[in-house]
Amino acid sequence: EAGVTQSPTHLIKTRGQQATLRCSPISGHTSVYWYQQALGLGLQFLLWYDEGEERNRGNFPPRFSGRQFPNYSSELNVNALELEDSALYLCASSSLLSGTWANEQFFGPGTRLTVL
Amino acid sequence: AQTVTQSQPEMSVQEAETVTLSCTYDTSESDYYLFWYKQPPSRQMILVIRQEAYKQQNATENRFSVNFQKAAKSFSLKISDSQLGDAAMYFCAYRSANAGGTSYGKLTFGQGTILTVHP
Repeated sequence: EAGVTQSPTHLIKTRGQQATLRCSPISGHTSVYWYQQALGLGLQFLLWYDEGEERNRGNFPPRFSGRQFPNYSSELNVNALELEDSALYLCASSSLLSGTWANEQFFGPGTRLTVL
Repeated sequence: AQTVTQSQPEMSVQEAETVTLSCTYDTSESDYYLFWYKQPPSRQMILVIRQEAYKQQNATENRFSVNFQKAAKSFSLKISDSQLGDAAMYFCAYRSANAGGTSYGKLTFGQGTILTVHP
């Protein structure tokens, strides 16, 4: 069974540009989560999508947005990039098949975003 | 809002020895889940162990076990018979079980503990 995949592995942008990060969940998983792992700030929750809807959002400005497609894959868009957006962006997926939100979140390898 | 604190930025252990990583959390909720995740240098986060707050029995997964003290809001991870492959960053994480709450669905992570295993 394929795990969570993310693309690209690395992304280099300049200030003010837009970045688009992509995530494909494990087959059968309907929930996708995005986290930011920045140096000195740890892992911060960004967004949660399930069945195409945004379910929860972390404390990030509106220029961080995303969407989930009918095949449950997801995009994270970061507009007007700032230097402090440089971080590892992790995507995770989970399933509600067992009827509980305690289900494990399976993580992808991440996308390293560098803003120059 | 919930917070998770890992007070040990770095820990080290000799191969085959036992090490305990500390984690405390703050919450006003009574129903929640706690996790330990491992992030090796390859960056892929892997779930090590999970604990449901309503269960008094401490979770165990092979060489990994937890000491869950709900009243003290403490959730430590014990690694027995440490192996070189255990070297990684370890994160303690909290997940609310309160459907519809502002914290629902997301994992709240501690700052992480870097574990070094010496041969």
